[in-house]
Amino acid sequence: RKEVEQDPGPFNVPEGATVAFNCTYSNSASQSFFWYRQDCRKEPKLLMSVYSSGNEDGRFTAQLNRASQYISLLIRDSKLSDSATYLCVVKRYDMRFGAGTRLTVKP
Amino acid sequence: GAVVSQHPSWVICKSGTSVKIECRSLDFQATTMFWYRQFPKQSLMLMATSNEGSKATYEQGVEKDKFLINHASLTLSTLTVTSAHPEDSSFYICSAGTGANTEAFFGQGTRLTVV
Repeated sequence: RKEVEQDPGPFNVPEGATVAFNCTYSNSASQSFFWYRQDCRKEPKLLMSVYSSGNEDGRFTAQLNRASQYISLLIRDSKLSDSATYLCVVKRYDMRFGAGTRLTVKP
Repeated sequence: GAVVSQHPSWVICKSGTSVKIECRSLDFQATTMFWYRQFPKQSLMLMATSNEGSKATYEQGVEKDKFLINHASLTLSTLTVTSAHPEDSSFYICSAGTGANTEAFFGQGTRLTVV
């Protein structure tokens, strides 16, 4: 079993749609959690950290359920510029990446 | 925020040659850096953990004699792909962080093509 599992997608949605990504992790000792965004042929960039209390940044909401070892990302009112691959990242000592979920937002 | 610089951003080399990739932390000291590899349409896979002043820790299946890592200072780690072959063509990327619970910062990545 992979340490971090994500639905690979692809997700093809129209502008303005709401889309949700899910992620599970296997190591209960994981300490911190993140969502990164990666554009084609570029390095990943931090989108947001994920906390047990949940956190929101504009159109983006992230949730963490430690008991279920589950992380989610919700994107509301999606924009064309949201098209990218979204990586679920789990950190203990090092960072482990999910396979990524490809999102394409269409006009 | 912290900045990690990686060089070169792309390289084309002949099969059998060696290629060195540098990863520098520009405004912080990094006792640990991480090297990842990403094949097309796949996720980043951790290759090794680079430790300043000691041997790198390699992930299972990664040949330590082929991917030489040197972390001689608190701001520089290098990855050398020795005797590169076309199957080594990939996107190599390094990262470093400033603490256990903080985000990691990534270099710009190196696209290696072995012909």
